[in-house]
Amino acid sequence: EPEVTQTPSHQVTQMGQEVILRCVPISNHLYFYWYRQILGQKVEFLVSFYNNEISEKSEIFDDQFSVERPDGSNFTLKIRSTKLEDSAMYFCASAPRRNALETQYFGPGTRLLVL
Amino acid sequence: DAKTTQPPSMDCAEGRAANLPCNHSTISGNEYVYWYRQIHSQGPQYIIHGLKNNETNEMAALIITEDRKSSTLILPHATLRDTAVYYCIVRVGEGGSEKLVFGKGTKLTVNP
Repeated sequence: EPEVTQTPSHQVTQMGQEVILRCVPISNHLYFYWYRQILGQKVEFLVSFYNNEISEKSEIFDDQFSVERPDGSNFTLKIRSTKLEDSAMYFCASAPRRNALETQYFGPGTRLLVL
Repeated sequence: DAKTTQPPSMDCAEGRAANLPCNHSTISGNEYVYWYRQIHSQGPQYIIHGLKNNETNEMAALIITEDRKSSTLILPHATLRDTAVYYCIVRVGEGGSEKLVFGKGTKLTVNP
């Protein structure tokens, strides 16, 4: 069964450093998403992306965050200057079409720890 | 999207049916009920969804009351691997926001 993959599985960084989290969506999917989950809290939507543009973003997704699909297979989330409160699990998801919730497949996540 | 209410935790014996309730009394006519689950530290996984009819797939059954104000997810023969947090999400199927809004869900523990 096709799956979304994410790298790295774990990342430790110093506060103020830039991090890039990588995702490889399922190959025929066109819609991409990032969510995060702070330890012990809810899964929160960050951003959705389609046709090389952000289609929706949450208030969490401020100027410190950016997304990109650099090469037609990877989908990345960049945090420019990490803060302690950015420590969380970051999940990438992809879907073949808009609003098809049953086909929004999630990756295994990247655990980010900011020290 | 309508608000949902779920019990914070439930226990179930292995091999028995797990019945997970969800209240969504403010659901509107074009909103679907979706269920996802999250096994410890993994990404959420879609289980099933429905509008007003009961639905069944290889993973679970979804029972929606006639007034649509509540629903129950049924795992017919729970296994230890079904231990997870189960999320009931209500939202418009087409034309609405793409995002999934997760609540706190129900932590189901399947005991041997």
